[in-house]
Amino acid sequence: SQQGEEDPQALSIQEGENATMNCSYKTSINNLQWYRQNSGRGLVHLILIRSNEREKHSGRLRVTLDTSKKSSSLLITASRAADTASYFCATVPHSGGYQKVTFGIGTKLQVIP
Amino acid sequence: DAGVIQSPRHEVTEMGQEVTLRCKPISGHDYLFWYRQTMMRGLELLIYFNNNVPIDDSGMPEDRFSAKMPNASFSTLKIQPSEPRDSAVYFCASSLDRGHRAFFGQGTRLTVV
Repeated sequence: SQQGEEDPQALSIQEGENATMNCSYKTSINNLQWYRQNSGRGLVHLILIRSNEREKHSGRLRVTLDTSKKSSSLLITASRAADTASYFCATVPHSGGYQKVTFGIGTKLQVIP
Repeated sequence: DAGVIQSPRHEVTEMGQEVTLRCKPISGHDYLFWYRQTMMRGLELLIYFNNNVPIDDSGMPEDRFSAKMPNASFSTLKIQPSEPRDSAVYFCASSLDRGHRAFFGQGTRLTVV
């Protein structure tokens, strides 16, 4: 079963608006990562947040992590048409076993110019 | 570094034929992952290697699928015999450590007719 589940599954906004995507997961994690995938391309790593961190920034990206609720959010501020892509969260379980990094099904973001 | 290199980019084959997908990870990365992406199931981890050793192949759907990593710079994913339901985009990814960011190749789009 998917460990991370993003919502919404699809999001359409106007250029300049902010976009927020959420990710929920089920078991305890070592870290959580967000990736972007442009159509027909591979996934590109955006940001990693560790389980002992609550918030992280990278340029126009802001990621929060709430381990008590087992959820994370990705905020893209001042969106651009080039941000149109699918966004995935990936959860890395605690070490101690050979466990899988699992991806959610993604949020498809469309930014309308 | 050129990143993770996959070949071929596109493969169209007839049902029953053998298909071999190839991957060259980033030099120095100890982990290599094979994923399959479809609209219905999203991104699924098939198998991953650590230092060329297969660690977890529980995601491999059937015995028709096999993967090898004969050395640190090369891996193959083989499907024999192929079936139409194997049609998907297959990604290879590598990382320095299991919990670190993963670098993805551009993928191989496989169509089995």
